[in-house]
Amino acid sequence: QSVLTQPPSASGTPGQRVTISCSGSSSNIGSNTINWYRQLPGTAPKLLIYSNNQRPSGVPDRFSGSKSGTSASLAISGLQSEDEADYYCAVWDDSLNGPVFGGGTKLTVL
Amino acid sequence: QVQLVESGGGVVQPGRSLRLSCAASRFTFSSYGMHWVRQAPGKGLEWVAHIWYDGSNKYYADSVKGRFTISRDNSQNTLFLQMNSLRVEDTAVYYCARDERTYCSGGSCLFDNWGQGTLVTVSS
Repeated sequence: QSVLTQPPSASGTPGQRVTISCSGSSSNIGSNTINWYRQLPGTAPKLLIYSNNQRPSGVPDRFSGSKSGTSASLAISGLQSEDEADYYCAVWDDSLNGPVFGGGTKLTVL
Repeated sequence: QVQLVESGGGVVQPGRSLRLSCAASRFTFSSYGMHWVRQAPGKGLEWVAHIWYDGSNKYYADSVKGRFTISRDNSQNTLFLQMNSLRVEDTAVYYCARDERTYCSGGSCLFDNWGQGTLVTVSS
């Protein structure tokens, strides 16, 4: 069981805006920056958002991140079928002295 | 474009050993910290180990500490994971991942590039 809690699933229709939450504690999200990774079916994870709300080159601005206290969120606007994937939050945990991942959220585009 | 190619996975009996390799190319390997991250079948991601750019420091998840050893050969642009005393619960796809910096320090670890993974199955 991960120290970061994500909903196991989320869904939306094309064009819709969806959000995925990531809940932690003062030893991780509360004191460090959070990153998000996307894993398309059958492929390796890929960096999606870093430092809470920054997008790597090539990631469209439909993807945005935010953090407040011990929780963080990933928002996807203008949902597209190709957004169907697993999404993971990740952050350094001061108590464990290492990086930790959330359990992942499977996004379905209806 | 950064390239990371893992190899060495396979089927192994509990208690046996296996050595994974990750061949890096198209970037200056000796300037980056590296990680191993694994994913059990149908499960989420789990960080396994980290090594500094020069190999001087190594860190492990509690679940593998004392059994796994991460190392690197900067002259050959290759990352390794020596896995001993393997358990059924070590069954997973193992990914090597590059850190954005020379090492992952307290407060921030960023896996900016990933390999395609190699499957390790521990079964009798």
